[in-house]
Amino acid sequence: GAVVSQHPSRVICKSGTSVKIECRSLDFQATTMFWYRQFPKQSLMLMATSNEGSKATYEQGVEKDKFLINHASLTLSTLTVTSAHPEDSSFYICSATNGQANEQYFGPGTRLTVT
Amino acid sequence: GQNIDQPTEMTATEGAIVQINCTYQTSGFNGLFWYQQHAGEAPTFLSYNVLDGLEEKGRFSSFLSRSKGYSYLLLKELQMKDSASYLCAIMDSNYQLIWGAGTKLIIKP
Repeated sequence: GAVVSQHPSRVICKSGTSVKIECRSLDFQATTMFWYRQFPKQSLMLMATSNEGSKATYEQGVEKDKFLINHASLTLSTLTVTSAHPEDSSFYICSATNGQANEQYFGPGTRLTVT
Repeated sequence: GQNIDQPTEMTATEGAIVQINCTYQTSGFNGLFWYQQHAGEAPTFLSYNVLDGLEEKGRFSSFLSRSKGYSYLLLKELQMKDSASYLCAIMDSNYQLIWGAGTKLIIKP
């Protein structure tokens, strides 16, 4: 149980284009989903927290107009990187919790490369 | 401020035992997590401690002392597949995870 999927697993896009990453909880209802970014050899950095049906809460320094997060249902959250630039190339990982405070379930991650 | 410290890298021998330490100072405490992360993959859950003491799960054990702001992950009977980064994370008063930078564990034959 508690499986989280992400799609796509890898994406290459050109600078200036937008990319959408999906995060789905497959066998539970995710009241809260988290989006992380991880640069090579660095730890995970929380970008934003999203609760179903409400606006995401962004961490300091994360541009909400650039990283659009939608959590329209209890099983799906999407992260759209708008007008992507090479510096946005990173490993994006989502996690979900079902309201039990003691664990987050991670998706497999999405490797974004912006050329 | 919030701070989590782990060694950057450790090396151990296959079949041996290794202890990875984590010290922390955070605003609030709702538990400490250990995750394993292989290169290019998302983290996988290893353990959760919210009370003082030792939690054992197979070859892996995790210890917590809240008064000292200290935890360790103990790996026994090391296998080559245990080569990975081990991340210590604290759940703070807002139930958000604060991550350490991770300890890269290298296992040698």
